[in-house]
Amino acid sequence: EDQVTQSPEALRLQEGESSSLNCSYTVSGLRGLFWYRQDPGKGPEFLFTLYSAGEEKEKERLKATLTKKESFLHITAPKPEDSATYLCAVQARNQGGKLIFGQGTELSVKP
Amino acid sequence: DVKVTQSSRYLVKRTGEKVFLECVQDMDHENMFWYRQDPGLGLRLIYFSYDVKMKEKGDIPEGYSVSREKKERFSLILESASTNQTSMYLCAGSGGSGKGRRNEQFFGPGTRLTVL
Repeated sequence: EDQVTQSPEALRLQEGESSSLNCSYTVSGLRGLFWYRQDPGKGPEFLFTLYSAGEEKEKERLKATLTKKESFLHITAPKPEDSATYLCAVQARNQGGKLIFGQGTELSVKP
Repeated sequence: DVKVTQSSRYLVKRTGEKVFLECVQDMDHENMFWYRQDPGLGLRLIYFSYDVKMKEKGDIPEGYSVSREKKERFSLILESASTNQTSMYLCAGSGGSGKGRRNEQFFGPGTRLTVL
């Protein structure tokens, strides 16, 4: 069964304290792995797509990496405005456009 | 950028009412999706559509139906609302015409539905 597990469930950081969020997945043929950011009461905002092991994408303080079993979202020198829930999702080759989401990691960055 | 809009941010309905949630996208998405999001359960797919007048059941279709008469509009219908359908409802589109954007889903702002 295709599955996505994110860890930790919640993460509290001090401003400037770098860390990583994990997304482990099992899928029968990966078409793509997606990272989203979601602020409270709002819809998820697209961040990155990764297609193959070894691929990396960067945006401001965020960097996403992908292996054959997991993806990491690295946050370098975070600021309070990076506080949000980060969602990971995978798309399998035999499932059309459907995404399978993880439960998310709630990130809180304190000044 | 891509734009997905939903008809209401907040909605309060009574048990037994028929409820329509509307979603409109302006980026020529072939695919459209309806999710609900609940604390501890994450995003769960209700229905999706790959083309006009086509629909496919997602993981939790019971109690819901959908309509896609035009490419840009995807409606979620609660035939007889119940309290356990109180949730955040999210619409998404994918398959836009831009390069490298065939697979990403772009979400609307969400509708917070409360059924009393």
